[in-house]
Amino acid sequence: QKEVEQNSGPLSVPEGAIASLNCTYSDRGSQSFFWYRQYSGKSPELIMSIYSNGDKEDGRFTAQLNKASQYVSLLIRDSQPSDSATYLCAVNILGGSYIPTFGRGTSLIVHP
Amino acid sequence: DAGVTQSPTHLIKTRGQHVTLRCSPISGHKSVSWYQQVLGQGPQFIFQYYEKEERGRGNFPDRFSARQFPNYSSELNVNALLLGDSALYLCASSLEGADTQYFGPGTRLTVL
Repeated sequence: QKEVEQNSGPLSVPEGAIASLNCTYSDRGSQSFFWYRQYSGKSPELIMSIYSNGDKEDGRFTAQLNKASQYVSLLIRDSQPSDSATYLCAVNILGGSYIPTFGRGTSLIVHP
Repeated sequence: DAGVTQSPTHLIKTRGQHVTLRCSPISGHKSVSWYQQVLGQGPQFIFQYYEKEERGRGNFPDRFSARQFPNYSSELNVNALLLGDSALYLCASSLEGADTQYFGPGTRLTVL
């Protein structure tokens, strides 16, 4: 049973701070990792993907992957109130049918 | 380019009824996946189709079925609706051989 674990939160940070969102996964065969943002009542929106150990930066977002520890994280720098949403971690095993397993998501609240 | 489209956006049914949800993928995407998302949880995989063939099926009862048409659009059918089927139903499309999925706006199904 593939599992993806996220703290449901809410994680509350002040505007301008760094928000750190974490995700662990159980399947060592996992090869690709995704972060989605989901506003209340809306569908998930892809933020970024990561495939190799280390950091990947895109604007204010940085994804970090550590396959040895089976851990992936998302850092949001200079958090804005508009970043308030649920952040979903998704994990895929390559070689299969590209069917990601999603965590339950972490609710982020950025307060002014 | 248009993104993934889904219809209807909202639907209210009563227990025991049948429902059909529709999805059109992003132009050029041949793979379509369906997910169920209940409040407070991440999306749960239901089906994946590629070139009209079922590639994967999640842990859902036989009341759930789907198909993909020659134009790559897809339908999800749910028979004998239960209260527990109330959820946001998401459709996602992806390119052949790609593991990144892009979600449509979803269909909010309420079963009374």
